[in-house]
Amino acid sequence: AQKVTQAQTEISVVEKEDVTLDCVYETRDTTYYLFWYKQPPSGELVFLIRRNSFDEQNEISGRYSWNFQKSTSSFNFTITASQVVDSAVYFCALSEGFDKLIFGTGTRLQVFP
Amino acid sequence: SQTIHQWPATLVQPVGSPLSLECTVEGTSNPNLYWYRQAAGRGLQLLFYSVGIGQISSEVPQNLSASRPQDRQFILSSKKLLLSDSGFYLCAWSVTGGPGANVLTFGAGSRLTVL
Repeated sequence: AQKVTQAQTEISVVEKEDVTLDCVYETRDTTYYLFWYKQPPSGELVFLIRRNSFDEQNEISGRYSWNFQKSTSSFNFTITASQVVDSAVYFCALSEGFDKLIFGTGTRLQVFP
Repeated sequence: SQTIHQWPATLVQPVGSPLSLECTVEGTSNPNLYWYRQAAGRGLQLLFYSVGIGQISSEVPQNLSASRPQDRQFILSSKKLLLSDSGFYLCAWSVTGGPGANVLTFGAGSRLTVL
């Protein structure tokens, strides 16, 4: 069965620190998609990235980077030089073929000035 | 561009009362539609999804139901609310195929408190 584990419930950092959010997934399929979403205090989920199971290249987008390792079933998210505006709950998610997403329980990131 | 609307944004209802949350999508046709629930301090749980008018799949047995009377309208209902129905309800849409495939776009959410 599908499962997404975000073991870090809450992380607190000071502005400009780098922070990595961990995500471990379980699936029996060879074709699947992995996602990260951000949920700011307003509550609306904001899409950050989608990665398919055949593309293990790491991706960088500004201060955000993602490390996908099939060997360890992990899809970790790093924020470099964190800012107060990065404070939010971050969700990792998995889907197999169809668009139903299975979410992890989320990691609450607090960035203090 | 596509937009998704959800209402009401906030709702306080007594136990045993009915519920109706509405979601509409603009700027796309034949979207896949979803209802998720986020209980306090927890992740998101998929409740229902729909691939077309009148086609509803339920993921979790409960006293909630969903309907899709029009292509871009998705309604979440209950005849009698329970305390455990309290939570943050999120509607989402996606398309099948193309560069945006598999990416869910979420509405702003509806916060339900059952007293």
